[in-house]
Amino acid sequence: ETGVTQSPTHLIKTRGQQVTLRCSSQSGHNTVSWYQQALGQGPQFIFQYYREEENGRGNFPPRFSGLQFPNYSSELNVNALELDDSALYLCASSPPGQGSYEQYFGPGTRLTVT
Amino acid sequence: GQSLEQPSEVTAVEGAIVQINCTYQTSGFYGLSWYQQHDGGAPTFLSYNGLDGLEETGRFSSFLSRSDSYGYLLLQELQMKDSASYFCAVKRSGAGSYQLTFGKGTKLSVIP
Repeated sequence: ETGVTQSPTHLIKTRGQQVTLRCSSQSGHNTVSWYQQALGQGPQFIFQYYREEENGRGNFPPRFSGLQFPNYSSELNVNALELDDSALYLCASSPPGQGSYEQYFGPGTRLTVT
Repeated sequence: GQSLEQPSEVTAVEGAIVQINCTYQTSGFYGLSWYQQHDGGAPTFLSYNGLDGLEETGRFSSFLSRSDSYGYLLLQELQMKDSASYFCAVKRSGAGSYQLTFGKGTKLSVIP
């Protein structure tokens, strides 16, 4: 059974640019959530996707957007990057019927904005 | 608003028992989860309490009191590999979905 994978592992972008991060959910998991984790902090919920629809959003501006595909993989897009967007971006998938309490996290993408 | 409070750091001796507390304030509360994260690694699920009481999984136990908005994670027979950050996370309902809200984490250092 393949776990949650994310790409790329590291990324350096310039302020104002746009970035796309990718996530493949664990086999059989139909719900994907994205989190931002700043250094020394807990993960902050960005949004969740279920059946290709956004199904809940945290306190993040509209320049953070996402997609979920029929195979349940997902993308996180961030436009107009700001220095404060530098963080570890985590993707987590959940199996059907479990709600969101047990989530399986990927290794994350470390984004640095200069 | 929502808030979760947990100690920022805890140090304990190998073989000992340590308890990490978590208090929360949130609307739409469903349950409390605990996650472990080693430096440079991804969070991994440890336990979940949807009802009051104690849940035990091997060396780890977790407790919830909904009336006190309080929970804790208990780690027994501490091992060096338990050195990591531990996060409590509230499962809450909001805008038609269930969401996880994480605390800031407790950094546990296990010393010989």
